[in-house]
Amino acid sequence: AQSVTQLDSQVPVFEEAPVELRCNYSSSVSVYLFWYVQYPNQGLQLLLKYLSGSTLVKGINGFEAEFNKSQTSFHLRKPSVHISDTAEYFCAVSHNTQTGTASKLTFGTGTRLQVML
Amino acid sequence: NAGVTQTPKFQVLKTGQSMTLQCAQDMNHEYMSWYRQDPGMGLRLIHYSVGAGITDQGEVPNGYNVSRSTTEDFPLRLLSAAPSQTSVYFCASSYDRASGNTIYFGEGSWLTVV
Repeated sequence: AQSVTQLDSQVPVFEEAPVELRCNYSSSVSVYLFWYVQYPNQGLQLLLKYLSGSTLVKGINGFEAEFNKSQTSFHLRKPSVHISDTAEYFCAVSHNTQTGTASKLTFGTGTRLQVML
Repeated sequence: NAGVTQTPKFQVLKTGQSMTLQCAQDMNHEYMSWYRQDPGMGLRLIHYSVGAGITDQGEVPNGYNVSRSTTEDFPLRLLSAAPSQTSVYFCASSYDRASGNTIYFGEGSWLTVV
């Protein structure tokens, strides 16, 4: 079984400040890692994903995340946030071992990023 | 580009009523799934399908039925609605490859059971 922990339920930050949203996972097998963003009353949009290779992954809207295998973490960062980044952010994992499971996502409970003026 | 289309977007049901949430995708994806989203609990997998005629249970399947008669459609049925099924439901689809698929989500269906 796999699980995802998002340590912060809410993160308030001022506009143009940097932000880090934390994500830790546990799994007995190799995983793929994802960050999704959800704007109010909308579906989920993929920000970025880690499959293999470079541990630093760049995504859309200026976000990036770093995979740390030893710490089983996949924290999301942005050097300067904008008011439009206010949303719910979800970290998710899936197994990378076989078909039928590579698309089964296990989600964290989400982090609400509130950008203030 | 339609992507993943869910209907209805909003629905109010009385306890004991049945209904079907519709989901359709036009990307020829093998894999489709249903999640429910509840405050403080993230998204939890209800049922999924890896192709037409094949379905399986996820983390929280009780009270829900699914079928996959075509590649495009994956309806979710609530047989006898209960207040505990008040939630936001998301349908998702992707290619079924062991290579880190991009999973596309619908806009969500808000269901209230009274």
